[in-house]
Amino acid sequence: DQQVKQNSPSLSVQEGRISILNCDYTNSMFDYFLWYKKYPAEGPTFLISISSIKDKNEDGRFTVFLNKSAKHLSLHIVPSQPGDSAVYFCAASPTGANSKLTFGKGITLSVRP
Amino acid sequence: EPEVTQTPSHQVTQMGQEVILRCVPISNHLYFYWYRQILGQKVEFLVSFYNNEISEKSEIFDDQFSVERPDGSNFTLKIRSTKLEDSAMYFCASTPNWEIQYFGAGTRLSVL
Repeated sequence: DQQVKQNSPSLSVQEGRISILNCDYTNSMFDYFLWYKKYPAEGPTFLISISSIKDKNEDGRFTVFLNKSAKHLSLHIVPSQPGDSAVYFCAASPTGANSKLTFGKGITLSVRP
Repeated sequence: EPEVTQTPSHQVTQMGQEVILRCVPISNHLYFYWYRQILGQKVEFLVSFYNNEISEKSEIFDDQFSVERPDGSNFTLKIRSTKLEDSAMYFCASTPNWEIQYFGAGTRLSVL
C-alpha cells in the first residue's frame, strides 16, 4: 500500500545549492500535505505544509510546490546548509478533524560542506 | 516552546509481557495519535483519539492494543502481550485541529 511515494531514498547536494525532494501520491482524497524532517533518535519535526487549494507555499528557505493534476509535490531548500542533513518525510491526509497522516518512506538528504 | 514528551525513551521487554508507553501531549491540543515505525520501514498510523474515545484505528491496532487518557495530561498506549514483531519506534502526536501534528521523540520498544 504505497499511497505516498518517495522514490529516491537519498540525495546529496553541495552546501549553498538547491535541494529538491520529490513526493508522489495516489489517493485522490488527500488534500493536505506536509513535510517533516527527522534527525536520528528524534521524532519527526514539522517543516512546512500546503493545502490543495494552493500550488505553492513558502517559508524562508523552504518552498513546497503542489501539482494536483500530476499528484506530485516537491520541497525546495535554497540555499542548502549542512544542518539540513536529515531524513525528510512527505505526509498526506484528507481534510477534516482527526485525519490520520499517511507517510512516505523518507529521503535521506546529505548536504556536503 | 511546548512539546510532546514520551517516556520511556527505550523499553526492553520479554515476549508475552505487557508494556505501557506514555505520552504527554501539548496542553491545549485536542486530538491525539499513535504511530509506529519498524526499522527500515514507513511511519505507520495506529490510532487516533478525540473526546475520550478512539476515532479511527488501523488494521495493526488489534485487540492486543489499547489507548487511554487516564487524566487531563497523559495519553497511553498499552500492548497486552507483546510479540517480536511489535519491536519498533512508537511515536505519539497531538494537534489542536486537523492540520499540523506535532510528534514526540518516540519510545523504542525492543521485544526479546
